[in-house]
Order: sequence, then structure tokens, then C-alpha cells
Amino acid sequence: LAKTTQPISMDSYEGQEVNITCSHNNIATNDYITWYQQFPSQGPRFIIQGYKTKVTNEVASLFIPADRKSSTLSLPRVSLSDTAVYYCLVGDMPNSGNTPLVFGKGTRLSVIA
Amino acid sequence: DAGITQSPRHKVTETGTPVTLRCHQTENHRYMYWYRQDPGHGLRLIHYSYGVKDTDKGEVSDGYSVSRSKTEDFLLTLESATSSQTSVYFCAISRTGGNYEQYFGPGTRLTVT
Repeated sequence: LAKTTQPISMDSYEGQEVNITCSHNNIATNDYITWYQQFPSQGPRFIIQGYKTKVTNEVASLFIPADRKSSTLSLPRVSLSDTAVYYCLVGDMPNSGNTPLVFGKGTRLSVIA
Repeated sequence: DAGITQSPRHKVTETGTPVTLRCHQTENHRYMYWYRQDPGHGLRLIHYSYGVKDTDKGEVSDGYSVSRSKTEDFLLTLESATSSQTSVYFCAISRTGGNYEQYFGPGTRLTVT
């Protein structure tokens, strides 16, 4: 089971780009890297997922180096509404003999006006 | 909206009482999950299901049981509730079993007195 390590908290001003890095040194060949966002009193929301190199969608970009031992979630020009906890997860599919993915404690991002 | 509902949304119960939480999905997805979320611990997987009558334990399964007799319903039962099971419980589904894009319900806040 690949364990993830990410900063406990980060602060940013509105309009800045925010990069949150996650370490996953024991990532396995079949593992995907997934990021979720959670606002208070809500369930987590899927943001982005990738296996290697770079993935971009309308919300964020995910950068994964060739060795896949880390990944970086990039949020362009954050606003106050991006204040949330961000979780990095690494895992394979269930019923394949592997343990399903595990949520860590996440990174609490605070965006300041 | 992934069509996930949880019931009840809030519940207060006494120690030793059995409690059942229900997760209902309208989209016929194969994978369903139960998590609990506590301050300082993030989200922790309790049990998951990869099909009707197919379930397995997660990270914190002690004191919990699950059942899935229909694709759309995944029940979490606390046989004899304890104060340590006071938490927010989230249900999630996975649309595509080949990776880990999960969609979460609104949560159930359970208080055991």
C-alpha cells in the first residue's frame, strides 16, 4: 500500500498559483494518483487523476515526474472559494488482491484576500 | 451529481444501541464504500463492496458490519454503538472500477451519547 505524505497546511493569496506536492515513494506499477477537494460539511469531490506526465482539466493540473514517486497538484489563480482540504491518494482497484486507496489527513489550503 | 443519498443525515443514539446507516445510489455502479471522518484523522475506509453480496474490510472495520443485497443499497450497521463511533460517515461510489474516481454522498452525522 503506497503511503502518501503532503503538507498539513498552506496559505495563499487570491490570484496566485498554488502547488501542492505529494510524496508517494512506494507507488506500485498499477497505482493511479488521484486528488480530491473537501469543503467543510461536505463529502470530498474528485478533482483530477493521472498515471504519468501531465494531466489538465478545467479545475487543475497534475504533474507527475517519470519516477512517479511524487506528484504536484497545481491550482491556477486561486480564489477564496478554493479554501478547502486537498487529499492526495494513490491506489489500485479493489477485488484485485490489493488494498483500496486510503485517504490521509490532507492539506488544508487557506486562501487569503 | 452522482445520485447518492444517505439516510439519516443526522442521528443521536445511546451507547449500546444498534444503528444502521443507509447509502442509496441511482446509477447502478458496482463499487460502494463507507468512510468515517474524524478531526485529526481525515477520511478512513470502514468497508467497501465490489458487487452484490461482495464486501471487504477497510482500515477501521472493527465494530461495523455491512450488507449489500441490491446494487443500489449499501448498509452500514453498528451492532452496539459506542462513543468512539461518534463521527461523520460518508458513502461513496465508483463509476468506473478500473480507476479511483469516487463520488461521495452528503454524509451522516452520528452522535453516540
